[in-house]
Amino acid sequence: DTGVSQNPRHKITKRGQNVTFRCDPISEHNRLYWYRQTLGQGPEFLTYFQNEAQLEKSRLLSDRFSAERPKGSFSTLEIQRTEQGDSAMYLCATNRGTDTQYFGPGTRLTVL
Amino acid sequence: GQQVMQIPQYQHVQEGEDFTTYCNSSTTLSNIQWYKQRPGGHPVFLIQLVKSGEVKKQKRLTFQFGEAKKNSSLHITATQTTDVGTYFCAGQSNTGKLIFGQGTTLQVKP
Repeated sequence: DTGVSQNPRHKITKRGQNVTFRCDPISEHNRLYWYRQTLGQGPEFLTYFQNEAQLEKSRLLSDRFSAERPKGSFSTLEIQRTEQGDSAMYLCATNRGTDTQYFGPGTRLTVL
Repeated sequence: GQQVMQIPQYQHVQEGEDFTTYCNSSTTLSNIQWYKQRPGGHPVFLIQLVKSGEVKKQKRLTFQFGEAKKNSSLHITATQTTDVGTYFCAGQSNTGKLIFGQGTTLQVKP
Protein backbone atom coordinates (compact mmCIF):
# COMPACT_ATOMS: atom_id res chain seq x y z
CA ASP A 1 0.00 0.00 0.00
CA THR A 2 1.63 3.25 -1.19
CA GLY A 3 -0.79 5.55 0.61
CA VAL A 4 -2.47 6.61 -2.63
CA SER A 5 -6.05 5.37 -2.81
CA GLN A 6 -8.38 5.13 -5.77
CA ASN A 7 -12.10 4.47 -5.91
CA PRO A 8 -13.81 2.54 -7.21
CA ARG A 9 -11.38 -0.30 -7.89
CA HIS A 10 -13.59 -1.70 -10.63
CA LYS A 11 -16.29 -0.10 -12.73
CA ILE A 12 -18.46 -1.77 -15.35
CA THR A 13 -20.63 0.52 -17.38
CA LYS A 14 -22.63 0.56 -20.56
CA ARG A 15 -21.50 2.49 -23.59
CA GLY A 16 -22.74 6.05 -23.48
CA GLN A 17 -22.84 6.33 -19.70
CA ASN A 18 -20.74 8.78 -17.69
CA VAL A 19 -18.27 7.56 -15.08
CA THR A 20 -16.22 9.33 -12.42
CA PHE A 21 -13.13 8.07 -10.63
CA ARG A 22 -11.51 9.46 -7.53
CA CYS A 23 -7.89 9.59 -6.38
CA ASP A 24 -6.79 10.49 -2.86
CA PRO A 25 -3.08 11.33 -2.72
CA ILE A 26 -0.53 11.06 0.03
CA SER A 27 -1.32 14.16 2.07
CA GLU A 28 1.84 16.21 1.54
CA HIS A 29 2.10 15.46 -2.18
CA ASN A 30 1.43 18.54 -4.27
CA ARG A 31 1.59 16.85 -7.68
CA LEU A 32 -0.99 14.40 -8.95
CA TYR A 33 -0.85 12.53 -12.26
CA TRP A 34 -3.41 10.47 -14.14
CA TYR A 35 -2.30 7.68 -16.45
CA ARG A 36 -4.19 5.13 -18.53
CA GLN A 37 -2.97 1.60 -19.08
CA THR A 38 -4.38 -0.83 -21.62
CA LEU A 39 -3.58 -4.53 -21.71
CA GLY A 40 0.00 -5.26 -22.68
CA GLN A 41 1.07 -1.63 -22.69
CA GLY A 42 2.83 0.70 -20.34
CA PRO A 43 0.93 3.47 -18.59
CA GLU A 44 0.25 6.51 -20.79
CA PHE A 45 0.17 10.01 -19.36
CA LEU A 46 -3.19 11.77 -19.39
CA THR A 47 -2.86 14.89 -17.25
CA TYR A 48 -1.28 16.32 -14.13
CA PHE A 49 -1.97 18.83 -11.40
CA GLN A 50 0.29 20.89 -9.24
CA ASN A 51 -1.87 21.71 -6.25
CA GLU A 52 -5.23 22.67 -7.80
CA ALA A 53 -3.83 23.82 -11.15
CA GLN A 54 -4.04 21.49 -14.14
CA LEU A 55 -0.74 22.16 -15.85
CA GLU A 56 -0.57 19.66 -18.69
CA LYS A 57 -3.00 17.56 -20.70
CA SER A 58 -2.17 14.82 -23.17
CA ARG A 59 -3.68 14.71 -26.63
CA LEU A 60 -5.15 11.38 -25.43
CA LEU A 61 -7.48 13.39 -23.23
CA SER A 62 -10.37 14.00 -25.58
CA ASP A 63 -13.10 16.50 -24.78
CA ARG A 64 -15.10 13.67 -23.22
CA PHE A 65 -12.54 13.54 -20.42
CA SER A 66 -12.28 16.08 -17.64
CA ALA A 67 -10.20 16.11 -14.50
CA GLU A 68 -10.36 18.32 -11.45
CA ARG A 69 -8.48 18.83 -8.23
CA PRO A 70 -10.58 21.52 -6.60
CA LYS A 71 -8.75 21.99 -3.31
CA GLY A 72 -5.38 20.62 -4.25
CA SER A 73 -6.06 17.37 -2.43
CA PHE A 74 -8.17 14.62 -4.00
CA SER A 75 -8.77 14.55 -7.74
CA THR A 76 -11.57 13.25 -9.94
CA LEU A 77 -11.45 12.02 -13.52
CA GLU A 78 -14.74 11.99 -15.39
CA ILE A 79 -15.41 10.31 -18.71
CA GLN A 80 -18.59 11.33 -20.48
CA ARG A 81 -20.40 9.22 -23.06
CA THR A 82 -18.07 6.27 -22.54
CA GLU A 83 -16.93 4.21 -25.51
CA GLN A 84 -15.61 0.66 -25.60
CA GLY A 85 -12.18 2.04 -26.38
CA ASP A 86 -12.15 3.72 -22.97
CA SER A 87 -11.86 0.30 -21.30
CA ALA A 88 -8.55 0.38 -19.45
CA MET A 89 -6.92 0.68 -16.05
CA TYR A 90 -6.85 4.32 -14.88
CA LEU A 91 -3.93 4.96 -12.57
CA CYS A 92 -3.27 7.88 -10.30
CA ALA A 93 0.23 8.73 -9.10
CA THR A 94 1.36 11.44 -6.72
CA ASN A 95 4.59 13.01 -5.58
CA ARG A 96 6.15 16.11 -4.09
CA GLY A 97 8.00 18.14 -6.68
CA THR A 98 9.86 15.74 -8.96
CA ASP A 99 10.37 13.03 -6.33
CA THR A 100 9.40 9.42 -6.92
CA GLN A 101 5.82 8.98 -8.10
CA TYR A 102 3.73 6.65 -5.98
CA PHE A 103 0.95 4.85 -7.81
CA GLY A 104 -2.46 3.99 -6.48
CA PRO A 105 -4.06 0.58 -7.10
CA GLY A 106 -5.95 1.87 -10.13
CA THR A 107 -9.55 1.78 -11.30
CA ARG A 108 -10.30 -0.85 -13.91
CA LEU A 109 -12.99 0.37 -16.30
CA THR A 110 -14.93 -2.01 -18.52
CA VAL A 111 -17.29 -0.47 -21.05
CA LEU A 112 -19.83 -2.94 -22.43
CA GLY B 1 7.43 13.56 -29.06
CA GLN B 2 9.65 11.60 -26.75
CA GLN B 3 9.38 7.83 -27.12
CA VAL B 4 10.73 5.04 -24.96
CA MET B 5 11.14 1.59 -26.48
CA GLN B 6 11.69 -1.56 -24.50
CA ILE B 7 12.72 -5.06 -25.57
CA PRO B 8 11.98 -7.89 -25.42
CA GLN B 9 8.23 -7.82 -24.91
CA TYR B 10 8.21 -11.24 -23.26
CA GLN B 11 10.85 -13.46 -21.71
CA HIS B 12 10.40 -16.97 -20.39
CA VAL B 13 13.27 -18.33 -18.32
CA GLN B 14 13.96 -21.34 -16.17
CA GLU B 15 14.35 -20.54 -12.51
CA GLY B 16 18.01 -19.79 -11.86
CA GLU B 17 18.68 -18.36 -15.31
CA ASP B 18 19.53 -14.70 -15.82
CA PHE B 19 17.24 -12.10 -17.39
CA THR B 20 17.87 -8.75 -19.07
CA THR B 21 15.53 -6.09 -20.42
CA TYR B 22 16.68 -3.12 -22.50
CA CYS B 23 15.27 0.35 -22.79
CA ASN B 24 16.00 3.00 -25.44
CA SER B 25 14.82 6.57 -25.65
CA SER B 26 14.48 8.72 -28.75
CA THR B 27 15.89 11.68 -26.78
CA THR B 28 18.42 12.24 -24.01
CA LEU B 29 16.86 11.61 -20.62
CA SER B 30 17.34 13.61 -17.43
CA ASN B 31 16.78 10.40 -15.53
CA ILE B 32 15.33 6.95 -16.01
CA GLN B 33 13.16 5.05 -13.60
CA TRP B 34 12.31 1.38 -13.38
CA TYR B 35 9.03 -0.04 -12.15
CA LYS B 36 7.73 -3.56 -11.56
CA GLN B 37 4.10 -4.49 -12.01
CA ARG B 38 2.79 -7.81 -10.79
CA PRO B 39 -0.21 -9.35 -12.58
CA GLY B 40 -3.32 -7.45 -11.48
CA GLY B 41 -1.24 -4.90 -9.62
CA HIS B 42 -0.01 -1.38 -10.11
CA PRO B 43 3.50 -0.16 -11.00
CA VAL B 44 5.87 -0.21 -8.04
CA PHE B 45 8.96 2.00 -8.10
CA LEU B 46 12.25 0.12 -8.11
CA ILE B 47 14.98 2.68 -8.76
CA GLN B 48 15.98 5.94 -10.43
CA LEU B 49 19.20 6.49 -12.37
CA VAL B 50 20.41 10.03 -12.98
CA LYS B 51 24.08 10.10 -13.91
CA SER B 52 25.62 9.10 -17.22
CA GLY B 53 27.07 5.58 -16.96
CA GLU B 54 25.51 5.02 -13.56
CA VAL B 55 25.22 1.45 -12.26
CA LYS B 56 23.11 0.56 -9.25
CA LYS B 57 22.49 -2.80 -7.63
CA GLN B 58 19.64 -4.09 -5.53
CA LYS B 59 20.45 -7.63 -4.42
CA ARG B 60 20.14 -9.69 -7.64
CA LEU B 61 19.04 -6.70 -9.76
CA THR B 62 21.57 -4.54 -11.61
CA PHE B 63 20.49 -1.32 -13.31
CA GLN B 64 22.60 0.60 -15.83
CA PHE B 65 22.21 4.00 -17.43
CA GLY B 66 24.03 4.51 -20.72
CA GLU B 67 26.81 7.01 -21.24
CA ALA B 68 24.65 9.05 -23.61
CA LYS B 69 21.70 8.88 -21.18
CA LYS B 70 19.51 7.46 -23.94
CA ASN B 71 19.45 3.80 -22.94
CA SER B 72 19.24 1.66 -19.86
CA SER B 73 19.11 -1.97 -18.84
CA LEU B 74 17.90 -4.11 -15.98
CA HIS B 75 19.63 -7.42 -15.34
CA ILE B 76 18.38 -10.03 -12.89
CA THR B 77 20.85 -12.72 -11.83
CA ALA B 78 19.57 -16.19 -10.98
CA THR B 79 15.87 -15.50 -11.38
CA GLN B 80 13.36 -16.71 -8.83
CA THR B 81 9.62 -17.26 -9.17
CA THR B 82 9.08 -14.10 -7.12
CA ASP B 83 10.64 -12.09 -9.97
CA VAL B 84 7.60 -12.77 -12.17
CA GLY B 85 5.93 -9.62 -13.45
CA THR B 86 6.27 -6.85 -15.99
CA TYR B 87 9.24 -4.52 -15.77
CA PHE B 88 8.84 -1.00 -17.13
CA CYS B 89 11.39 1.67 -17.74
CA ALA B 90 10.19 5.27 -17.78
CA GLY B 91 11.82 8.49 -18.81
CA GLN B 92 10.83 11.64 -16.97
CA SER B 93 10.01 14.83 -18.83
CA ASN B 94 10.95 18.25 -17.50
CA THR B 95 7.36 18.64 -16.28
CA GLY B 96 7.68 15.47 -14.24
CA LYS B 97 5.41 13.20 -16.24
CA LEU B 98 6.67 9.68 -16.88
CA ILE B 99 6.94 8.25 -20.37
CA PHE B 100 6.84 4.49 -20.08
CA GLY B 101 8.21 1.81 -22.34
CA GLN B 102 5.94 -1.05 -23.36
CA GLY B 103 7.35 -3.27 -20.64
CA THR B 104 8.98 -6.69 -20.57
CA THR B 105 6.90 -9.47 -19.06
CA LEU B 106 9.01 -12.05 -17.28
CA GLN B 107 7.79 -15.59 -16.71
CA VAL B 108 9.90 -17.90 -14.56
CA LYS B 109 9.44 -21.65 -14.76
CA PRO B 110 10.20 -23.45 -11.50
